[in-house]
Amino acid sequence: EADIYQTPRYLVIGTGKKITLECSQTMGHDKMYWYQQDPGMELHLIHYSYGVNSTEKGDLSSESTVSRIRTEHFPLTLESARPSHTSQYLCASTRTGEAFFGQGTRLTVV
Amino acid sequence: GEDVEQSLFLSVREGDSSVINCTYTDSSSTYLYWYKQEPGAGLQLLTYIFSNMDMKQDQRLTVLLNKKDKHLSLRIADTQTGDSAIYFCAESMGGSYIPTFGRGTSLIVHP
Repeated sequence: EADIYQTPRYLVIGTGKKITLECSQTMGHDKMYWYQQDPGMELHLIHYSYGVNSTEKGDLSSESTVSRIRTEHFPLTLESARPSHTSQYLCASTRTGEAFFGQGTRLTVV
Repeated sequence: GEDVEQSLFLSVREGDSSVINCTYTDSSSTYLYWYKQEPGAGLQLLTYIFSNMDMKQDQRLTVLLNKKDKHLSLRIADTQTGDSAIYFCAESMGGSYIPTFGRGTSLIVHP
């Protein structure tokens, strides 16, 4: 069973608000990833990290930012939420190949 | 074209076998995965195969890899209604291990 957790599971927030989506894993994995997924659609990589103090942007341009101060924690922040940010955000981690996913955060910006 | 391609829908009768197919383009892929996603949930890793393997079996699941044709398949034996979900094929390379996903195949199991 994967020990990777995302909070909150669901979030409805007003336009212009700052939000942070949390992702934590207890498996000691060095590599972590954030994907964005619209309903019924494919996953798009938006950020990844190879370890502490390492962050990179993914294939899909995103206005979000990430940080990796601790191995187990990889939060994603939106400074000013917009309706176009409405989506599901999925966090994953791996050490050497098997990538495990959290349950996701479904974000709605109104 | 897309790096990983899958057909979008598959409909099977309960008790039959399901075969979900996937093709990928990157010959240097190291890992190939199958994930299951139920409505409103994250992705559950079902199984994976190393690129130097041809087949992997795990209970009702059989993964076949044809590396020459870059073709991956997932066979689900004795398909049940609880198997209804979206199945994603993914590949990654050693080093970054960043999974690249297909668009997912929606499996519908009917009585």
